[in-house]
Amino acid sequence: ETGVTQTPRHLVMGMTNKKSLKCEQHLGHNAMYWYKQSAKKPLELMFVYSLEERVENNSVPSRFSPECPNSSHLFLHLHTLQPEDSALYLCASSQHSDGELFFGEGSRLTVL
Amino acid sequence: DQQVKQNSPSLSVQEGRISILNCDYTNSMFDYFLWYKKYPAEGPTFLISISSIKDKNEDGRFTVFLNKSAKHLSLHIVPSQPGDSAVYFCAASAASGTYKYIFGTGTRLKVLA
Repeated sequence: ETGVTQTPRHLVMGMTNKKSLKCEQHLGHNAMYWYKQSAKKPLELMFVYSLEERVENNSVPSRFSPECPNSSHLFLHLHTLQPEDSALYLCASSQHSDGELFFGEGSRLTVL
Repeated sequence: DQQVKQNSPSLSVQEGRISILNCDYTNSMFDYFLWYKKYPAEGPTFLISISSIKDKNEDGRFTVFLNKSAKHLSLHIVPSQPGDSAVYFCAASAASGTYKYIFGTGTRLKVLA
């Protein structure tokens, strides 16, 4: 496998469920990101990890909890989400803090 | 307040003609700009970038122009091809080491055969 892979591609969950999104990068990059894309809105940066340390947390509600166990893997744990959290969640990686971002295909989340 | 704006949500161009996608920004600290292309059901893919020390960068059919005084950049695609039909996002960052890219809302380009 190459690039950035995200699973699952689609997820439907109730407001009381707990689920996780997974991202894996095969590029040898040292930074990983979670972005949220809602309809007609810009891509919103949620979290950034550099060398497995969180360097950015963009005022994201605590119902979203990231985890970066190593430089190749990134998780987004979801708990008691709201319907307005329904969106496309994109993972990305980069070699440096100002290097170009390589995105995964996204996980489409629907919260009922 | 949106720091990066793409005011045209959509654009239609005839095949073979030039496509011009525009992007405006408000933060004068931005010094690195990128364009991404996104097909449905896929993640955005990097297209071309430009540093604030330049006013033009060219890569094949794609050219990005930067007008710092107007805080404006544009992406030119010539000649446009049907495979270029996608959503195009511009993004900007300020100062290295911040990991922060601010994205616009995107422009949907449709190239008509």
